[in-house]
Amino acid sequence: GNSVTQMEGPVTLSEEAFLTINCTYTATGYPSLFWYVQYPGEGLQLLLKATKADDKGSNKGFEATYRKETTSFHLEKGSVQVSDSAVYFCALSTLSNTGKLIFGQGTTLQVKP
Amino acid sequence: NAGVTQTPKFRVLKTGQSMTLLCAQDMNHEYMYWYRQDPGMGLRLIHYSVGEGTTAKGEVPDGYNVSRLKKQNFLLGLESAAPSQTSVYFCASTSPPPHPHYEQYFGPGTRLTVT
Repeated sequence: GNSVTQMEGPVTLSEEAFLTINCTYTATGYPSLFWYVQYPGEGLQLLLKATKADDKGSNKGFEATYRKETTSFHLEKGSVQVSDSAVYFCALSTLSNTGKLIFGQGTTLQVKP
Repeated sequence: NAGVTQTPKFRVLKTGQSMTLLCAQDMNHEYMYWYRQDPGMGLRLIHYSVGEGTTAKGEVPDGYNVSRLKKQNFLLGLESAAPSQTSVYFCASTSPPPHPHYEQYFGPGTRLTVT
């Protein structure tokens, strides 16, 4: 079946450090891939997405590249800020007629000043 | 444009009590979803709907029922609450293609505690 695996957290970094959160997936066909972010006390919001192999999604300094050969979609940011502290979810959609998303377990990021 | 709203924001129930969570969206989306979020488990799909009058089971449907009588509303019911249903519940909505690739829009969540 389809699944998403994320690196376990929490990830604790100092401000301006480089961030990588690993995400790998298992899916039939050619899924779309997403990163959602959840700030404390809020719902999820889309951070970035990629819909085909080799696409790079980017937003707010975050990037992720859809790697079909390694079935990965790792999230990166060159210099994190305290305001980036949140829970990050990797997800996939198989473009079925239901629009269902399959989420990873989430990775908590804590950025210290 | 309020997006996706959820009512209530917080609720405490006793075992065996019933309640209904309301989700409303003003984006004219066809598809709506109910998820639960538990520590270390990400979001798991409870039920979903691909249009007014239709519902379907997701990954963890037991103990829940849903209804979609109006396109803009999606109700999640707990007939007899159990402590295992203590969780944060999120509603989401989206439109089918040609909307780009199923981006889902989430509500702020309902934190439910069952004692």
